[in-house]
Amino acid sequence: NAGVTQTPKFRVLKTGQSMTLLCAQDMNHEYMYWYRQDPGMGLRLIHYSVGEGTTAKGEVPDGYNVSRLKKQNFLLGLESAAPSQTSVYFCASNHRQASDFQPQHFGDGTRLSIL
Amino acid sequence: AQTVTQSQPEMSVQEAETVTLSCTYDTSESDYYLFWYKQPPSRQMILVIRQEAYKQQNATENRFSVNFQKAAKSFSLKISDSQLGDAAMYFCAYRTAYSGAGSYQLTFGKGTKLSVIP
Repeated sequence: NAGVTQTPKFRVLKTGQSMTLLCAQDMNHEYMYWYRQDPGMGLRLIHYSVGEGTTAKGEVPDGYNVSRLKKQNFLLGLESAAPSQTSVYFCASNHRQASDFQPQHFGDGTRLSIL
Repeated sequence: AQTVTQSQPEMSVQEAETVTLSCTYDTSESDYYLFWYKQPPSRQMILVIRQEAYKQQNATENRFSVNFQKAAKSFSLKISDSQLGDAAMYFCAYRTAYSGAGSYQLTFGKGTKLSVIP
């Protein structure tokens, strides 16, 4: 009963390095999201996807890119990491139907530190 | 754009007592959903309770209940008989019910850190 799985759970990067965070869900959800959580800021939406091959910007998209090549996976990339991107990153997913208010299912988060 | 405000950064409650966490929101929509999520030190995001805006009746889940005041745009969470395991960060969140919105992203408040005193 995996749900939403995020890889890796922790990572330390140097400024300017690149990396990709992987989110995988096994619930056949259409919608997937990437949020970042900073102290005193709550969770803010970075990018989201409403289906395979489609992505869109959220509230704080600068410095990130995403891809959804397969329905079950949603990748978040940092091309040139900056200290301001030090954060905890959460992936979430839910079904598309609006008639039932599908709650979002969250992964356990990735703690990313940029030195 | 919708906004969610949690005006209490930190709160504390004595074990077995009752505590209420406040949340207000701003929206021009008439149909939407509201959620409370709990985040313990393990960092997991755990859904506590949810409310549909078009329902008058306040949602309850065991020791957790909400006071939903649509006209005032207020959505407070009441925790009764507080337990040590209730200590966590609590987030209030808003989601549109409009199917043409393009996605069902959540808009979060900044959170309230709840401490439970033995």
